[in-house]
Amino acid sequence: GEDVEQSLFLSVREGDSSVINCTYTDSSSTYLYWYKQEPGAGLQLLTYIFSNMDMKQDQRLTVLLNKKDKHLSLRIADTQTGDSAIYFCAEPEGSQGNLIFGKGTKLSVKP
Amino acid sequence: EAGVVQSPRYKIIEKKQPVAFWCNPISGHNTLYWYRQNLGQGPELLIRYENEEAVDDSQLPKDRFSAERLKGVDSTLKIQPAELGDSAVYLCASSAMSQARWEGYTFGSGTRLTVV
Repeated sequence: GEDVEQSLFLSVREGDSSVINCTYTDSSSTYLYWYKQEPGAGLQLLTYIFSNMDMKQDQRLTVLLNKKDKHLSLRIADTQTGDSAIYFCAEPEGSQGNLIFGKGTKLSVKP
Repeated sequence: EAGVVQSPRYKIIEKKQPVAFWCNPISGHNTLYWYRQNLGQGPELLIRYENEEAVDDSQLPKDRFSAERLKGVDSTLKIQPAELGDSAVYLCASSAMSQARWEGYTFGSGTRLTVV
């Protein structure tokens, strides 16, 4: 079945760039997603990328997709303390609507 | 517009007791999901409804878990009896079949269950 892998922790200083990496298994995934979870809250869709793209930029966020290596990354420019959260990579399960999530990367931003 | 509403936010129960969680999806969203998120893990699907029909319940531990979605709107997830290992956050999410795939789904804030 599908599996999504992420590193568990990342610590950066305020103002630096953060890069969160993810590998996935289903090469037929049409979309790949990044969700953000703040403490005590549900998951919020942060951004997505369509599988025929290799890069998507949205303000401070840049998503890079390497389909050959099944590698997805999320870059946050000028990271702020408000970006401290857990970031989940997700891919759809086959043709179903269900999403398969990674374990999440906890981003800590130091002032 | 209210998002996905879940209640209660927190629940502490003794093992072997029953517990129920309630979810009200976004109006017009006909797909509803229950996910379980263990500490330090990503969410894992328990059950998915299309309207009132459970179309994927393969990951639901049916010996103790049950769910219903009467009238295809609100949903209830029940555990009876609860075990210590059921301690987790139970997340509800919804989406509309008509919406674009890239919109993902909308999650509620979850119910944090602690079984003691």
